[in-house]
Amino acid sequence: AQSVAQPEDQVNVAEGNPLTVKCTYSVSGNPYLFWYVQYPNRGLQFLLKYITGDNLVKGSYGFEAEFNKSQTSFHLKKPSALVSDSALYFCAVSPFTTGGGNKLTFGTGTQLKVEL
Amino acid sequence: GAGVSQSPRYKVAKRGQDVALRCDPISGHVSLFWYQQALGQGPEFLTYFQNEAQLDKSGLPSDRFFAERPEGSVSTLKIQRTQQEDSAVYLCASSLRDSSGNTIYFGEGSWLTVV
Repeated sequence: AQSVAQPEDQVNVAEGNPLTVKCTYSVSGNPYLFWYVQYPNRGLQFLLKYITGDNLVKGSYGFEAEFNKSQTSFHLKKPSALVSDSALYFCAVSPFTTGGGNKLTFGTGTQLKVEL
Repeated sequence: GAGVSQSPRYKVAKRGQDVALRCDPISGHVSLFWYQQALGQGPEFLTYFQNEAQLDKSGLPSDRFFAERPEGSVSTLKIQRTQQEDSAVYLCASSLRDSSGNTIYFGEGSWLTVV
């Protein structure tokens, strides 16, 4: 069974500073990794995903994530944080399967707070 | 439609009442998922459809929960005899194809409060 760990319940960063939201995963075989963002009283919005290829994945709103197979990590990053980035971020994993199906397993979420 | 649409957005049910939550996925999407998100938690998988076939219902917490997608498009999640522990956000999601790595797009959720 697959699992995702987001070790930080909350990350605080000053606007303009770089941000990192951590994620580690456990899955049998090759992983497919995703980041979603959730604003208050809203559903989840897709940010980016890693399928294969380049370990650095670029996504929406200037976010990027780095896949590290040896450390089983997929940390979310942004070079310069904005106050509007403040939200709840979820990392998710889906295992590669030949039989179809792309069920996601989510972490518990990290609240990002960007302050002026 | 442009995105996954869910209704009602908010539902207050008395304990013991039956509820039905509707999901209209993105047009043409093969896969449809239901997730449950408790307050302060990540979404937890409930069930999954490939077109009209329910291929995985391993996450449904009890036999009071039932989901259907009879024509391979709109889906309904039904909860019978609601209990307080059913209070959560129910998220519907869809993806274009039924294969690993396909992006899953979520609706805004149906917020259920059982009183």
